[in-house]
Amino acid sequence: DTGVSQDPRHKITKRGQNVTFRCDPISEHNRLYWYRQTLGQGPEFLTYFQNEAQLEKSRLLSDRFSAERPKGSFSTLEIQRTEQGDSAMYLCASSWGQSYNSPLHFGNGTRLTVT
Amino acid sequence: AQKITQTQPGMFVQEKEAVTLDCTYDTSDPSYGLFWYKQPSSGEMIFLIYQGSYDQQNATEGRYSLNFQKARKSANLVISASQLGDSAMYFCAMREGSTGSGNTPLVFGKGTRLSVIA
Repeated sequence: DTGVSQDPRHKITKRGQNVTFRCDPISEHNRLYWYRQTLGQGPEFLTYFQNEAQLEKSRLLSDRFSAERPKGSFSTLEIQRTEQGDSAMYLCASSWGQSYNSPLHFGNGTRLTVT
Repeated sequence: AQKITQTQPGMFVQEKEAVTLDCTYDTSDPSYGLFWYKQPSSGEMIFLIYQGSYDQQNATEGRYSLNFQKARKSANLVISASQLGDSAMYFCAMREGSTGSGNTPLVFGKGTRLSVIA
């Protein structure tokens, strides 16, 4: 169990540019989640996958955001035409099964700064 | 409506003392799970402890215990024998279980910053 891995750890980009983040979940976990965390707040849900199917998207996920999980393994989160308000920590998490008692295991996050 | 409320933005505790971090929740779902996470300055969210809505006993994990009062909808985290390494943000979170998709995503409170003083 190598844990959830996210890449890159930090990303600085200029407004209007596109960015893509990658998440590698714990290998046997079938669910993968993306959260966003701004300073002084708890993580906010963006979207989640069960295997390769994207099952739910938050209204926070504007049409500039897209997430994929091809083949049910790693996932990517892309933000197009970045805005300063997108600056945040993007957290990926994974879990096994569908039960509400399954804890989410988080990666170290990708900190995005839009200048 | 806020589903998870953590009313203490910051707490201080003396090393080796116990501390209680408050959490209240709001749900009409009879099936739910409550979680506590620790987030050190490095940013990683570390799972600490879980309490299910049907669990009869309070959960314990080492120095962590959860004071679960279902009628009051509270799930306070108790850390015994505080250590300097316990200084971090602590988040309470809830997941409801009875929706058609299996369960809802984990919803977090705003957190409490705990500072342990030597």
